[in-house]
Amino acid sequence: DAGVTQSPTHLIKTRGQQVTLRCSPKSGHDTVSWYQQALGQGPQFIFQYYEEEERQRGNFPDRFSGHQFPNYSSELNVNALLLGDSALYLCASSWGTGNNQPQHFGDGTRLSIL
Amino acid sequence: QQQVKQSPQSLIVQKGGISIINCAYENTAFDYFPWYQQFPGKGPALLIAIRPDVSEKKEGRFTISFNKSAKQFSLHIMDSQPGDSATYFCAALIHSGGGNKLTFGTGTQLKVEL
Repeated sequence: DAGVTQSPTHLIKTRGQQVTLRCSPKSGHDTVSWYQQALGQGPQFIFQYYEEEERQRGNFPDRFSGHQFPNYSSELNVNALLLGDSALYLCASSWGTGNNQPQHFGDGTRLSIL
Repeated sequence: QQQVKQSPQSLIVQKGGISIINCAYENTAFDYFPWYQQFPGKGPALLIAIRPDVSEKKEGRFTISFNKSAKQFSLHIMDSQPGDSATYFCAALIHSGGGNKLTFGTGTQLKVEL
């Protein structure tokens, strides 16, 4: 039973570039959430996708956008990269958006902005 | 109102001892409270979770105590082992707009010494 998989594991970009991160949810899960984790901090919610629609959004600028595909996988896109975007980007999957559905995390993509 | 406050920031416990991590929240709309364990270079792994209508939940050496009136909850790790050395995050889940999101505490670095 495959868990949440993310690619790539590491990425180095320069300021102003654009990046796309990918996530495949755990088998049986249909909901994907994205989080940003700065060094030494707790994860911060970016947005959540369910039924190919953005259902919830955290306090992140429009430079952060996403997509969910019919197979439930998801992409996170970040445009006009800033130095402050350097972080671990985590994808979490769950079954539906109802009560008490645990979110399971992948190991993340480490994004470094030079 | 969206914050989850976690303490202590770091904790050193002797092998076989009890590790206790505390969290507090303000928003009574939170309705699910998971704890995650994170090792360096890995994503957060779900440890144990509790609903607000339950005062205690135990799974193996891990126990959550929940005080709804005080809006506080804690993680107890019994018989702490060196392999438990990791960063622990409390979190709280809220539903709105057809989706949900986790708000994380700032994390506790636990070190279990021999």
